[in-house]
Amino acid sequence: DQQVKQNSPSLSVQEGRISILNCDYTNSMFDYFLWYKKYPAEGPTFLISISSIKDKNEDGRFTVFLNKSAKHLSLHIVPSQPGDSAVYFCAAAVQGGSEKLVFGKGTKLTVNP
Amino acid sequence: EAGVVQSPRYKIIEKKQPVAFWCNPISGHNTLYWYRQNLGQGPELLIRYENEEAVDDSQLPKDRFSAERLKGVDSTLKIQPAELGDSAVYLCASSLDRTAGQFFGPGTRLTVL
Repeated sequence: DQQVKQNSPSLSVQEGRISILNCDYTNSMFDYFLWYKKYPAEGPTFLISISSIKDKNEDGRFTVFLNKSAKHLSLHIVPSQPGDSAVYFCAAAVQGGSEKLVFGKGTKLTVNP
Repeated sequence: EAGVVQSPRYKIIEKKQPVAFWCNPISGHNTLYWYRQNLGQGPELLIRYENEEAVDDSQLPKDRFSAERLKGVDSTLKIQPAELGDSAVYLCASSLDRTAGQFFGPGTRLTVL
C-alpha cells in the first residue's frame, strides 16, 4: 500500500504560469516532507522541505504548502521556467528518523516556452 | 565539492549472472543509502549504513542481494544471481548523519536480459 501518493503522472504548463504539484500521504506518523527534482540520467536533487509544525515554506520561486488535516501537500512553482521541466518526487519521513524517506511515484512537469 | 559518485552508470547482463555496483559518498558523510528505483516508481530504500554498520537492511532481499561498506567510506552493492525483475536504477545517497539531507548520485541503470 502506497503511503505517499502523487496521483498526477504528468503536468504541462506554460512558461511564466504557476505549476502546482500535489502529494497525499496516508501515514499520520509522517511529520517531515520533502520535494526532490530529477532530471533524466541524474539522481534526485533536494528542492525544498517542510516540517509539520509549519503549513508553508518558501524558497525563491518554490513554495510548499502542508495541510495536515487533509494529509496533503503541494509544491507551487511561480513563475515556471522551461528549466523546471523534470520529474518531481514527494517524500515523507518521521522526523528524527528522516533517514527513512518514503517516496511517491513522481510527477513529470513540462514547462512549455 | 564532489558529489556522490557511482559506477558503472549502465550495466547490461543476462539473468543468473552476478553484478556489482560501487558508490563513493560525499567526503565526510557518515550515512550511506542504497535505493532501487523501478520504472515509473519513486526510489525505495534497500539498505542504510551508519559508518560501517548496516543499521537498516529490512528491505534488502537477502537471498540474492548483499552490500558492504568497508572502512565506512565506499560501498558496494551486489546481486547474485540477477533476475529479470532486478532491472532498475540503483541509486546511492549519502548524508552527514541520519538527520541531515540526503544527496543522491546519478545511479546505475541495470538491465537484466
